Amino acid sequence: GQNIDQPTEMTATEGAIVQINCTYQTSGFNGLFWYQQHAGEAPTFLSYNVLDGLEEKGRFSSFLSRSKGYSYLLLKELQMKDSASYLCAVRDRGGNTPLVFGKGTRLSVIA
Amino acid sequence: DADVTQTPRNRITKTGKRIMLECSQTKGHDRMYWYRQDPGLGLRLIYYSFDVKDINKGEISDGYSVSRQAQAKFSLSLESAIPNQTALYFCATSDSRWGNTEAFFGQGTRLTVV
Repeated sequence: GQNIDQPTEMTATEGAIVQINCTYQTSGFNGLFWYQQHAGEAPTFLSYNVLDGLEEKGRFSSFLSRSKGYSYLLLKELQMKDSASYLCAVRDRGGNTPLVFGKGTRLSVIA
Repeated sequence: DADVTQTPRNRITKTGKRIMLECSQTKGHDRMYWYRQDPGLGLRLIYYSFDVKDINKGEISDGYSVSRQAQAKFSLSLESAIPNQTALYFCATSDSRWGNTEAFFGQGTRLTVV
């Protein structure tokens, strides 16, 4: 079966750094994706990792360790608008097959 | 205009009614998906299609059916709606021509079954 775990909720202070962890146990692995979703809106793509290591994109970075089945999303210089849910998703097969999503982490940024 | 458009955006329907949710895309993508989202349960896959005439069941297909009428259109039907199908439904697309690519989501349809 597929199992993707993330913390349910996190709170962080404006201007700070927050790390959102994701662990996965899937039948195969062909990439890990992070999405941001504001309440009632569509998920939007943030980052993609398929090889081990860190991918940096502005204030957002994502890390992957395939041997540990582990990823994290790092958000720097937090802003109030970063308050949202962050979804970890795994593609478990090749061929652009559907993403399998974790339940998401709701991040609240406070002043 | 949104690249992935869902209609309607909101719908209230009665138990036992048949309802169709529609999704159209202008991205030229071949892959299309239907997910539902419930509080505390995340996004779960209902059906997906790799191309016209290709239909595949997802994790929670019972009580649903789909039709891929054209590459740009993928509709989801609830044959006889029940209250536990109340959820936020998302259509998504992806492009297999460029390898391992992300999925793009529509704005969602909030469905309430009373």
